[in-house]
Amino acid sequence: DVKVTQSSRYLVKRTGEKVFLECVQDMDHENMFWYRQDPGLGLRLIYFSYDVKMKEKGDIPEGYSVSREKKERFSLILESASTNQTSMYLCASSFFFGAIPGSGPEAFFGQGTRLTVV
Amino acid sequence: AQSVTQLDSQVPVFEEAPVELRCNYSSSVSVYLFWYVQYPNQGLQLLLKYLSGSTLVKGINGFEAEFNKSQTSFHLRKPSVHISDTAEYFCAVSVLLRRFGAGTRLTVKP
Repeated sequence: DVKVTQSSRYLVKRTGEKVFLECVQDMDHENMFWYRQDPGLGLRLIYFSYDVKMKEKGDIPEGYSVSREKKERFSLILESASTNQTSMYLCASSFFFGAIPGSGPEAFFGQGTRLTVV
Repeated sequence: AQSVTQLDSQVPVFEEAPVELRCNYSSSVSVYLFWYVQYPNQGLQLLLKYLSGSTLVKGINGFEAEFNKSQTSFHLRKPSVHISDTAEYFCAVSVLLRRFGAGTRLTVKP
């Protein structure tokens, strides 16, 4: 089975802190994604990566950055956490499919990290 | 650009009743379509997917969905629901990147 593991299930951070969310997948997937999930809004794509050191902005990248130094690991960084970044964060991975970076037939998700910024 | 609309934010049903969760999408090109389920405090699990071929797709836990290209819909159905089907369901469309609907909370009552 594909396994996508997020390092924390729950986090509480203070406003202004630098926050790291880690994600590891064990299926040698090329693509990795970070989403945030908010009630009534579904999942919104923050950033994705289609290869080591390659990254692309999603729909809501402001206030976030990412790092992919190894194929299996994709980190989301909140440079200076704010209360409006309180949310559920979901990591996903998929095989690369076709010619378009980030495209893939199916994504596998981690358990999520519920981040609260106080 | 592609978008996904889940037409019902909440669907309450009684156990053993049939259910349909509705999903419409907009895209000018061919798409992949997915339904995911999320149980409380968990990540998303794939229920079923449409990539190509037969428009009726069967998934896990007795769910199925029908791709209707002319109506740009991908509704999810189950003929008889169980209490354990209580969860949030997300429809997703993938052309270049995956876009999700806002979710439908299915509540199955005894």
